[in-house]
Amino acid sequence: AQKITQTQPGMFVQEKEAVTLDCTYDTSDQSYGLFWYKQPSSGEMIFLIYQGSYDEQNATEGRYSLNFQKARKSANLVISASQLGDSAMYFCAMSWNDMRFGAGTRLTVKP
Amino acid sequence: KAGVTQTPRYLIKTRGQQVTLSCSPISGHRSVSWYQQTPGQGLQFLFEYFSETQRNKGNFPGRFSGRQFSNSRSEMNVSTLELGDSALYLCASSFRQGPDTQYFGPGTRLTVL
Repeated sequence: AQKITQTQPGMFVQEKEAVTLDCTYDTSDQSYGLFWYKQPSSGEMIFLIYQGSYDEQNATEGRYSLNFQKARKSANLVISASQLGDSAMYFCAMSWNDMRFGAGTRLTVKP
Repeated sequence: KAGVTQTPRYLIKTRGQQVTLSCSPISGHRSVSWYQQTPGQGLQFLFEYFSETQRNKGNFPGRFSGRQFSNSRSEMNVSTLELGDSALYLCASSFRQGPDTQYFGPGTRLTVL
C-alpha cells in the first residue's frame, strides 16, 4: 500500500534562508506522481510543485524545488529565500489511484 | 479561470442530521475528489468522481456518499451525523482521472454538536 511519511512535525527558518522539508514514500508501483501542497491558516490547499516518477530532472517552480531521489524514495521540498508568508502547513502527497497525503510539516518563518 | 468553489463554507449541525456539501470544479475539469481533514486523522480520501461515475472510494462508512452531475459539479452527503464527522471537507478538481494535479477549493468546515 502507498504510504507517505513526513517526519518533521514542525520546522523553523529565518527569513531569507533556505529550508528543506522531508518526505519519504513507499510504493511498489513504477508510475506515480509526487506533489507538495501548502495550507495556510485559512484552510485552502495550494498546489506548489509536481514530480513524475519518470521525470529525470528535479522539478522547480520559482522558489520551490523538489529534490527527488527515486532509489531512496524521497521527495524533499526545498524553499529558497524564505518569506514570512511561507509560514503554513506543508503536505507531501503521492498520486496513484487516489491521492495520499503525509501528516504535514508546520513551517514557521522568523523575521 | 475561476478556481474550485465550495458551498457552504461553514455549517453547524446536530447529531443524527444529514448534510449536503457542494463543489464546483474548475471549468473543463472532469474529475472531482473529496477529502476529510481532521486534527487527529489528517487528510483522508473520501471518493473520486469522473464523468458522473464514482471511480475510487476511500475507507469511510456508507453514511458518506456523493454524486457528480453532467456539468461536473459534485455533491457529497453525510447522513446520520456523528460528533466525529466534525471536520474540514475539501474538494479538489483535476482534468484527468487518477494521477493528475488536483486543485483544491477553500473547504467546508462542518461542526456537529
